[in-house]
Amino acid sequence: GQQVMQIPQYQHVQEGEDFTTYCNSSTTLSNIQWYKQRPGGHPVFLIQLVKSGEVKKQKRLTFQFGEAKKNSSLHITATQTTDVGTYFCAVRKAAGNKLTFGGGTRVLVKP
Amino acid sequence: EAGVAQSPRYKIIEKRQSVAFWCNPISGHATLYWYQQILGQGPKLLIQFQNNGVVDDSQLPKDRFSAERLKGVDSTLKIQPAKLEDSAVYLCASSFTASGGTDTQYFGPGTRLTVL
Repeated sequence: GQQVMQIPQYQHVQEGEDFTTYCNSSTTLSNIQWYKQRPGGHPVFLIQLVKSGEVKKQKRLTFQFGEAKKNSSLHITATQTTDVGTYFCAVRKAAGNKLTFGGGTRVLVKP
Repeated sequence: EAGVAQSPRYKIIEKRQSVAFWCNPISGHATLYWYQQILGQGPKLLIQFQNNGVVDDSQLPKDRFSAERLKGVDSTLKIQPAKLEDSAVYLCASSFTASGGTDTQYFGPGTRLTVL
């Protein structure tokens, strides 16, 4: 079955520092989405990547889709306390298939 | 635009009891999803509807879980009988396109179920 691994599982970041979280699939993907879930909240859509090597930016967040379309990364610069939460990648093996979520990276920010 | 509505927000039951959750998707969204999110894990798809038809229910434990979306709008998810391992947050999501292909999913606030 679809294997989606996210690393690290936990990320403790000093406020103002940068960090990167990774999402790796065992199979080639059609597309990948990233979601953020605040503590006690529900997943909120951030971005979708479709093309090989695609890079998208949202303010301090940079998302990248690997050339082989098997992995993705989320890089956050100058981390703020508002970045606290769990970041999930969700992948589709083929267009129209169900989304499979990774286990998430739980981000804690130290002020 | 109103978001995805779910009720109840919290439910506590004893094992072997029955429970039902309700979801009303964003108006005009053809595709509706039910996810189970166990504490510390990512959401797992239970069932996906396109209008009132089932697209994917491969991960739905059909011996105890059932879901319907009779008029292609709101949906109910039922568990009968509940087990301890069913304790989780049940998330409903909806998306605009009928195919549910590469479309954004909008999640509701979820129902937190505790089975004692």
